[in-house]
Amino acid sequence: GAGVSQSPSNKVTEKGKDVELRCDPISGHTALYWYRQRLGQGLEFLIYFQGNSAPDKSGLPSDRFSAERTGESVSTLTIQRTQQEDSAVYLCASSPGARGPQYFGPGTRLTVT
Amino acid sequence: SQQGEEDPQALSIQEGENATMNCSYKTSINNLQWYRQNSGRGLVHLILIRSNEREKHSGRLRVTLDTSKKSSSLLITASRAADTASYFCATDANDYKLSFGAGTTVTVRA
Repeated sequence: GAGVSQSPSNKVTEKGKDVELRCDPISGHTALYWYRQRLGQGLEFLIYFQGNSAPDKSGLPSDRFSAERTGESVSTLTIQRTQQEDSAVYLCASSPGARGPQYFGPGTRLTVT
Repeated sequence: SQQGEEDPQALSIQEGENATMNCSYKTSINNLQWYRQNSGRGLVHLILIRSNEREKHSGRLRVTLDTSKKSSSLLITASRAADTASYFCATDANDYKLSFGAGTTVTVRA
């Protein structure tokens, strides 16, 4: 079946602009995660959605970052007033439940100029 | 914060050789997972080992877990050019969040 998809695959934006990143999880997966990966580093947890529960936003680095998820489907990660330090690959993952393997999308490479 | 730390940071081997990388972590875990990442994009799940397991195999992959030392190792046997990638360990410390290390970059030379 279809895997996790993300769009756009690449985004170049000017400092100060807002960006919206989209994630389509695997159908039926109740858990959805967003991570950030800076060049040459591991993944930083950003936010977690599980079904209709309140999301865990504890990893969001500032109030410029927000995310939404519609039911158990699409999620969007929004970064307002982008800064150069926001440049990274943003990865989305989904899983059938709250534990176990996560299935990753190809990521969105964000470059803030 | 990153709980897992991989060692070495980089590894270069000849095709056909074995590659071993290690992961150390700090807190107690429910399970530990290994992922592969090609070209800095999406990660692929390789193997999950639970805290009550000591060893697990999947094809050419062998993972060990020593909870007393808070460490794990990933062995890739008979390496191929297609194994060139970054490998990450990720720990599930009794919640749903995975903590990833910085990864080991493996280069397999033809």
